[in-house]
Amino acid sequence: DSGVTQTPKHLITATGQRVTLRCSPRSGDLSVYWYQQSLDQGLQFLIHYYNGEERAKGNILERFSAQQFPDLHSELNLSSLELGDSALYFCASSGSTGNRNTIYFGEGSWLTVV
Amino acid sequence: SQQGEEDPQALSIQEGENATMNCSYKTSINNLQWYRQNSGRGLVHLILIRSNEREKHSGRLRVTLDTSKKSSSLLITASRAADTASYFCATDADTGFQKLVFGTGTRLLVSP
Repeated sequence: DSGVTQTPKHLITATGQRVTLRCSPRSGDLSVYWYQQSLDQGLQFLIHYYNGEERAKGNILERFSAQQFPDLHSELNLSSLELGDSALYFCASSGSTGNRNTIYFGEGSWLTVV
Repeated sequence: SQQGEEDPQALSIQEGENATMNCSYKTSINNLQWYRQNSGRGLVHLILIRSNEREKHSGRLRVTLDTSKKSSSLLITASRAADTASYFCATDADTGFQKLVFGTGTRLLVSP
């Protein structure tokens, strides 16, 4: 168990809809990352937050947005969903203990857009 | 886009044999990390090697890093059926902030 918790584990929704994925980082970790894993694109970095502030953006679509709250949990909002958004979305965190560079991943949220 | 390629894409071995996976990357890095992913599950961190390190061990895992060739290898010794998974390398480029860029992964099948 990495200590990173993601909900929901599975989600099925229709095209055009909006969903919110939630992440609780490891206790004390200030950094939260979101990644997307799909068959055609592999594992892609989406966005990084540190202590509530956006630090880096990767291949994140404009239809997607994220935020990190004062309690350090994070949400990834996906809107106007398309079939191609079906993927496994990972949240990860780092920074509190041990090797500060090690990034710990949650189990992911499976999103299926139908 | 992905930082690098992993080789081989798939590897099938018998229990007790060693498995070697290679990773190549494109830019200078701060560190390189290896992860394991069981089918459809989360990524489990295996080992991190910094750019100033050449070799690192953790249990049955041995990782090497050659920054001049921009390559790394992961060796799993005395493999077990439970090692069956996909293995990914991920590089943390020296950009001042952390952003892992993953390779394409190697699918390892260990048969009893």
